[in-house]
Amino acid sequence: DAGVIQSPRHEVTEMGQEVTLRCKPISGHNSLFWYRQTMMRGLELLIYFNNNVPIDDSGMPEDRFSAKMPNASFSTLKIQPSEPRDSAVYFCASSSGTVNTGELFFGEGSRLTVL
Amino acid sequence: AQSVTQLGSHVSVSEGALVLLRCNYSSSVPPYLFWYVQYPNQGLQLLLKYTTGATLVKGINGFEAEFKKSETSFHLTKPSAHMSDAAEYFCAVSETTGGFKTIFGAGTRLFVKA
Repeated sequence: DAGVIQSPRHEVTEMGQEVTLRCKPISGHNSLFWYRQTMMRGLELLIYFNNNVPIDDSGMPEDRFSAKMPNASFSTLKIQPSEPRDSAVYFCASSSGTVNTGELFFGEGSRLTVL
Repeated sequence: AQSVTQLGSHVSVSEGALVLLRCNYSSSVPPYLFWYVQYPNQGLQLLLKYTTGATLVKGINGFEAEFKKSETSFHLTKPSAHMSDAAEYFCAVSETTGGFKTIFGAGTRLFVKA
């Protein structure tokens, strides 16, 4: 079975550029989470969706960040404009709450470097 | 709101020694509790989970954890450490509202000495 698929795996960009990270959750999972991992702040929950609807976006750091889930098989996290402090590993995870009681399945992450 | 505290950002043990990683949680409702492991340059993988029922749960690679409601703890143990256990370990709490929002602790990096 295919796991959670994230792209790109690595992204290097310059300050001010737009960055789009993509995620394909596991088929049949109805919850999707975006996390950011840094040495200083650990794993931060940015936003999560249930049945394609954003439930809690209180972790989104500022208006430069936005996330969408147009359908059950695709989500994007966009940063516009990007800043050096956005450099981190961004993880997408999915879950089937009714079956797996909240267990999260993580992608391999997208490592973002903003110069 | 739920929260997780992991005591000790780094733990070092000798190969064959007991592994004990500490986790305390805060939750306004009965929580679901998890331990995840992260190897370098990889995503997190589930080690074990507590939802309901037996408070001592066993996971992969010989790890186990005990849910103690009175102490709001969910410590992770393994009787004998192996070199391959070196990784970062995350405790997490999830509340069964609106899609299982899951919050992670800061993580504990485990070093295993030969």
